[in-house]
Amino acid sequence: SQKIEQNSEALNIQEGKTATLTCNYTNYSPAYLQWYRQDPGRGPVFLLLIRENEKEKRKERLKVTFDTTLKQSLFHITASQPADSATYLCALDPDSWGKLQFGAGTQVVVTP
Amino acid sequence: DTGVSQDPRHKITKRGQNVTFRCDPISEHNRLYWYRQTLGQGPEFLTYFQNEAQLEKSRLLSDRFSAERPKGSFSTLEIQRTEQGDSAMYLCASSFGGIEQFFGPGTRLTVL
Repeated sequence: SQKIEQNSEALNIQEGKTATLTCNYTNYSPAYLQWYRQDPGRGPVFLLLIRENEKEKRKERLKVTFDTTLKQSLFHITASQPADSATYLCALDPDSWGKLQFGAGTQVVVTP
Repeated sequence: DTGVSQDPRHKITKRGQNVTFRCDPISEHNRLYWYRQTLGQGPEFLTYFQNEAQLEKSRLLSDRFSAERPKGSFSTLEIQRTEQGDSAMYLCASSFGGIEQFFGPGTRLTVL
């Protein structure tokens, strides 16, 4: 069966450090992978998309890598700030029709 | 504000009652998605529309759930004969082309 796994434990990190989150998947061959941010009581917000032929994508302090051989994506927040505290979700689109399959998310807590 | 809106934001109902939720997508978006999210989990795909056509329903969606998108604009999601297991956050998202999705704030349903 298809699975998307993210670190289940919250990631506690000090302000200024780099947070690294992992997304592993099985039984998918996605054309792209997406990362979303979700704050409590709110809907997810799109952050980044990386395609299968891209190894790395950056947006401001965010960096995503995608290894289709390992079936893994890493999501990095550099120079983290307390405002980065949220749950980060990885999502795959099995057939490119937008029917996103999400991981359970990893909560990030950045302390001053 | 031209984002995705959902109404109501919160709904408390008794088991066995019917409930209906509304989603207003971003106006030029042709695709509209419904997801359900329970505590500690990522959103789970329920159904989606391209314009007014409902293209797919998740096999996890029981016959008590029905969705419509008349005229390809707003959408409604109805749950008949609610059960306690229906308690969740119901999220609506829209997109143009199906990749980056814009989520609404969600409707939190509590079934007593």
